[in-house]
Amino acid sequence: AQSVTQLGSHVSVSEGALVLLRCNYSSSVPPYLFWYVQYPNQGLQLLLKYTTGATLVKGINGFEAEFKKSETSFHLTKPSAHMSDAAEYFCAPNFGNEKLTFGTGTRLTIIP
Amino acid sequence: DTGVSQDPRHKITKRGQNVTFRCDPISEHNRLYWYRQTLGQGPEFLTYFQNEAQLEKSRLLSDRFSAERPKGSFSTLEIQRTEQGDSAMYLCASSLSPRELYNEQFFGPGTRLTVL
Repeated sequence: AQSVTQLGSHVSVSEGALVLLRCNYSSSVPPYLFWYVQYPNQGLQLLLKYTTGATLVKGINGFEAEFKKSETSFHLTKPSAHMSDAAEYFCAPNFGNEKLTFGTGTRLTIIP
Repeated sequence: DTGVSQDPRHKITKRGQNVTFRCDPISEHNRLYWYRQTLGQGPEFLTYFQNEAQLEKSRLLSDRFSAERPKGSFSTLEIQRTEQGDSAMYLCASSLSPRELYNEQFFGPGTRLTVL
């Protein structure tokens, strides 16, 4: 069965520290992969996507993610956290059909 | 602003009432999606349209829910006889397909429904 798992429903990091949000998928065929960010009471904004080609993809706001087929992972990172990064982050594979399958989300808190 | 818009942004209703939400996609997008997001969860797919045709419905979409996209532009989602379990954020997204196989979807701000 195709599925997505985000480890850690809540992550707290200090301002200026590394951000690492984990995403693993289960699928016999590698999916297209997306990370979305959601600020309180708002819709979803695309951070970055992996479709084909280079496995390290860069997105907005200094975020990047690396697709690792052998580990079925697509973890999101940012070298230095900023207060404005506080939000909920969703990993969303597209398993080749018409809809996105969202993880349960990771709420990122930045400690001043 | 040429993004996806949704109306209303918030709706409070009493159990048993009917509610209708509207979504206006990005103008050249031919696909339109509805998702539901409950508190603390990721969005879940409800249904999608290509132009005016409704091509897929999730089993989450009970017979109290109906969605339309009559002219292939805006869409409405109606919930009849609302229940407290319908309280959620309803998100609309659109995409231009099949320009890209990966089908990037652009989301609106959502309609938050509270059923008392």
